[in-house]
Amino acid sequence: SQQGEEDPQALSIQEGENATMNCSYKTSINNLQWYRQNSGRGLVHLILIRSNEREKHSGRLRVTLDTSKKSSSLLITASRAADTASYFCCSITGNQFYFGTGTSLTVIP
Amino acid sequence: SAVISQKPSRDICQRGTSLTIQCQVDSQVTMMFWYRQQPGQSLTLIATANQGSEATYESGFVIDKFPISRPNLTFSTLTVSNMSPEDSSIYLCSVTREGALNEQFFGPGTRLTVL
Repeated sequence: SQQGEEDPQALSIQEGENATMNCSYKTSINNLQWYRQNSGRGLVHLILIRSNEREKHSGRLRVTLDTSKKSSSLLITASRAADTASYFCCSITGNQFYFGTGTSLTVIP
Repeated sequence: SAVISQKPSRDICQRGTSLTIQCQVDSQVTMMFWYRQQPGQSLTLIATANQGSEATYESGFVIDKFPISRPNLTFSTLTVSNMSPEDSSIYLCSVTREGALNEQFFGPGTRLTVL
């Protein structure tokens, strides 16, 4: 399977804390994306980082990419209760999209 | 972005029956995909829906079980045939657009429960 791995599988933090999720993938990529899924609903695209980039920011999100280790991380700063969701990384090679196993984040008010 | 709707949003079906899920996009898109997400799991790609030709299925998925149509650039259907409880999942349609091939836009999903 080309599916990526994510850790932790589940993460529970207090509101205001930072949340870090990690993703590892298996093949060379064109870019890597992070998606968010609220319970039982569709996925929402959060951020894309290209294979030649090492770090990218968008609001409270910070994504890093280490192609030598085939890994990426998503940091959510100053978390809010509304950030409670599942987060998936998705590595893209050509026209192939490979989703990670996901991290379930709970932010406690 | 692309606005995607799916119908039905949820359904409860009996074993042995079939259900057809519709995916409608508000603009012409390049590629359309169908995913399955079993409870608590990640997304698994079922197939790429090709306009005017047979869908391209991933390993482990076959046309007899999951027939797919895509008669035009904005519409596709996925049928889950001869259902069993193991087919209980969320089924998601996604699309990519010309000029944004690396970003997928997802529909809200169809939650299927098979009794």
